[in-house]
Amino acid sequence: DQQVKQNSPSLSVQEGRISILNCDYTNSMFDYFLWYKKYPAEGPTFLISISSIKDKNEDGRFTVFLNKSAKHLSLHIVPSQPGDSAVYFCAASPGGTSYGKLTFGQGTILTVHP
Amino acid sequence: AAGVIQSPRHLIKEKRETATLKCYPIPRHDTVYWYQQGPGQDPQFLISFYEKMQSDKGSIPDRFSAQQFSDYHSELNMSSLELGDSALYFCASSYGGGDQPQHFGDGTRLSIL
Repeated sequence: DQQVKQNSPSLSVQEGRISILNCDYTNSMFDYFLWYKKYPAEGPTFLISISSIKDKNEDGRFTVFLNKSAKHLSLHIVPSQPGDSAVYFCAASPGGTSYGKLTFGQGTILTVHP
Repeated sequence: AAGVIQSPRHLIKEKRETATLKCYPIPRHDTVYWYQQGPGQDPQFLISFYEKMQSDKGSIPDRFSAQQFSDYHSELNMSSLELGDSALYFCASSYGGGDQPQHFGDGTRLSIL
C-alpha cells in the first residue's frame, strides 16, 4: 500500500521555466512533509520541508505548497536550471514520537533542458 | 560542511554471512535513521535512535540489529544474509527527534551473492 504517491515518473522542462512536481498521500496522520533531490550514486539531499500547520514554505527558487484537505503537496522550482536535473522524492512523516519515520514516494525524474 | 559518512560504500557478501554497516552522523546531530532501498523501490524506514536509545522501528527483519554508540555513530548488524537483502542502505541524521530535516549519507550498496 503506497501511502505517498508521485504519479508522474518523469517531467521534462525548458531552462528558465517553472517545474512543478506533485505528490499525493493517503495517511491523514502525516504531519510533516519534505522534498529531497537525488543524483545517481549519492544519497538524497534535503531541499525544503513544510509542517501541516502551514500551506506554503519558500526557500529561494523552491516553494512547497500543501493542501491538507486534498492530501496533496507540490514543489515549484522557478526558474528551472539544468543542474536541477535529478530524481525528486517527496516524503512524509507522522507527528508525535514518529516524526523521523519517513515514508517516501517513488520519485519523479526531472530533466531540465538548456 | 561535514556530511553523514557511511562505510563501507560497497560490500559483497555471500548467503548466510554477516555484515556490519557503519554510520557517522553530522557533528552535533543526536538522531540517526536507517533506510533500505531495494532495486527500483523507494527507501523504506528500518530503525532510528535518539540519544543512543531506539526511538522508532519500521520493517526491520529480526535478523538485523542496530545500536547507537556514545559518540553518536551507529552500526547496523545483519546476520544470516539472504539474496533479498541486496539493496542500498542509507543512514540519515538530524538534530533532535522532532520536525528537523534528515540529512542522508551516500549509502552502502550491499550485494549478496
